[in-house]
Amino acid sequence: EAQVTQNPRYLITVTGKKLTVTCSQNMNHEYMSWYRQDPGLGLRQIYYSMNVEVTDKGDVPEGYKVSRKEKRNFPLILESPSPNQTSLYFCASSITYTGNTEAFFGQGTRLTVV
Amino acid sequence: SQQGEEDPQALSIQEGENATMNCSYKTSINNLQWYRQNSGRGLVHLILIRSNEREKHSGRLRVTLDTSKKSSSLLITASRAADTASYFCATTTSGGGADGLTFGKGTHLIIQP
Repeated sequence: EAQVTQNPRYLITVTGKKLTVTCSQNMNHEYMSWYRQDPGLGLRQIYYSMNVEVTDKGDVPEGYKVSRKEKRNFPLILESPSPNQTSLYFCASSITYTGNTEAFFGQGTRLTVV
Repeated sequence: SQQGEEDPQALSIQEGENATMNCSYKTSINNLQWYRQNSGRGLVHLILIRSNEREKHSGRLRVTLDTSKKSSSLLITASRAADTASYFCATTTSGGGADGLTFGKGTHLIIQP
């Protein structure tokens, strides 16, 4: 089954404790991205990757890092989480740049930073 | 930066009625997509309409695009309880940038049984 898998689904952590949210897709997609969703603000893009070893900042990259060492994986790293990073996070992938094709989304990771 | 804005923010209708949601955007686009999100879950792609298309159908969905007014509408006919969800429009801008989809804030649709 074609899918984007995020882990964990739910995470509560403390300020400053480094964490990684994993994202994996099994569709051989080139393009992957991370979004955060907050009430009243909709979805905002954090980082995106056009292919292996090619990443770039989205609209709200501060406080986040990503890497793309393999085509299927695109982890999101919070080196020192803060409470304002409490949010619902989504990973997405598409065949190429999402401009012309549909994006497939993971089920989301609800992160709470206390 | 916010590109699309959906209207209304919330909509409640009776099962069997039609639901119409609108999306306005600010800058020229390559295409426009609509997504559905069930409560707290991932987004699911519904339909993509290109900037040179005016109307597109998929099952009970009908999407229109008016580039002169920078607006799109999503019509769901013969609504069902399972259509209860949030609906988002997403755009990609002209210019060839790779910065992906820009989402609106969504319309929350409730179908009353």
